This record gives sequence, C-alpha cells and structure tokens, in this order.
Amino acid sequence: GENVEQHPSTLSVQEGDSAVIKCTYSDSASNYFPWYKQELGKRPQLIIDIRSNVGEKKDQRIAVTLNKTAKHFSLHITETQPEDSAVYFCAASYTGNQFYFGTGTSLTVIP
Amino acid sequence: GAVVSQHPSWVICKSGTSVKIECRSLDFQATTMFWYRQFPKQSLMLMATSNEGSKATYEQGVEKDKFLINHASLTLSTLTVTSAHPEDSSFYICSAPVGDTQYFGPGTRLTVL
Repeated sequence: GENVEQHPSTLSVQEGDSAVIKCTYSDSASNYFPWYKQELGKRPQLIIDIRSNVGEKKDQRIAVTLNKTAKHFSLHITETQPEDSAVYFCAASYTGNQFYFGTGTSLTVIP
Repeated sequence: GAVVSQHPSWVICKSGTSVKIECRSLDFQATTMFWYRQFPKQSLMLMATSNEGSKATYEQGVEKDKFLINHASLTLSTLTVTSAHPEDSSFYICSAPVGDTQYFGPGTRLTVL
C-alpha cells in the first residue's frame, strides 16, 4: 500500500511567520493529496487539496505545492495566527479510494 | 456540505465485552466508508474499507475477526470491536467519500477498562 511520510512532527513559529510542512508518498498511482487540520478531540477538517495534474494551489494564506516526479508535496501557511495552532495531516489517495495519512505535524503559533 | 455522524461519541466498557460503533451519512449515500483509529498524538491509521452489500476490505495487520464491519445500507456502516481489551482503547473515526473529498465523522472515543 501507500506510505506517506510527514515532517516535521512538531513546529513552532512566531505569529506572522510562515510555516511549511512537507510530505512524501510512495505510490505513483496516487493522484489526490488533501491536507487536514485536526483540533484536539475533533474530526479532521479539509483545508486544501491538490490533484496530480496541478503543481500549485493557493487559498488565501494557505498554499500547497506538488512535485509528482519527486513524489512530494508541501503545505505553506503564511502570516500565521494563533488559531492556526492544531495538528495537520497530509494524505495521499488514488481518487475515491482509501486515504493514507502522514504522521501529523503539531503546529504551535506563538503570539 | 456532506455530513457524517457517529454514535456513540464516547463509550466505556469492561474488558471482554463487545462494542458497536455506528457511522451514518446523513444527507448522501455512501457505497463505501472507511474506518480509522487514532491513538493519542498519533496519525489516523486506516483499518478497513466498508463496502455496501459486500465484505469489508481490511488493511494489513488488522484482525477482521476482532473488528467486525457491516455495511448493510447506503447510509450506515457499523464497526464492532469484539472482546475488547484495554489495548483497543482508541479514537475511532469513520469517513465517507463524496467525489474526491472524504467527510469524517466526529469520532468515537473507546475506553476499555
């Protein structure tokens, strides 16, 4: 099956700074890469996603980049705010099928 | 957007008993649902794919006789943890896809004493 690795496991940034989380995947058939934000004890919430036919996607302060050749994708959060503090998971999927999640990154934004 | 519910949200049981967790898609039909477990401060681990009207597909290392999955209708999948033991204590989350997007249930926290 798919193997998704995620780094770093923890990340602390000052409010206003940028945060970058990186993921790699193993299965070249994967073609859909969502990012989820999970607050303690709550369900994961989709924040942005990218498909394999696109190299970059942006939504306000959040952007995702994908390098299919290298099999890695990254989440970029700019102008971080305290409410961005949460655990972030990347995932890889062959469309409509199972999601395989990365190990998660605990992001802390320091006011 | 699509809504997925789970019941119960929290359950405590004695070791050796069985616990059933329900996952429902409230405003859409789901021929496929997925079950995950999540230990504290860890990632979501895919356990199995629940298929309406057929047997579930289990991930490697997941005991199918331990975690019974039934997907009897297009809106309901159940996960039964049989003969639960303390090591089964975890956060269990289901999801259902709409197109590419997975919609997650709120999760069920299982504590086995």
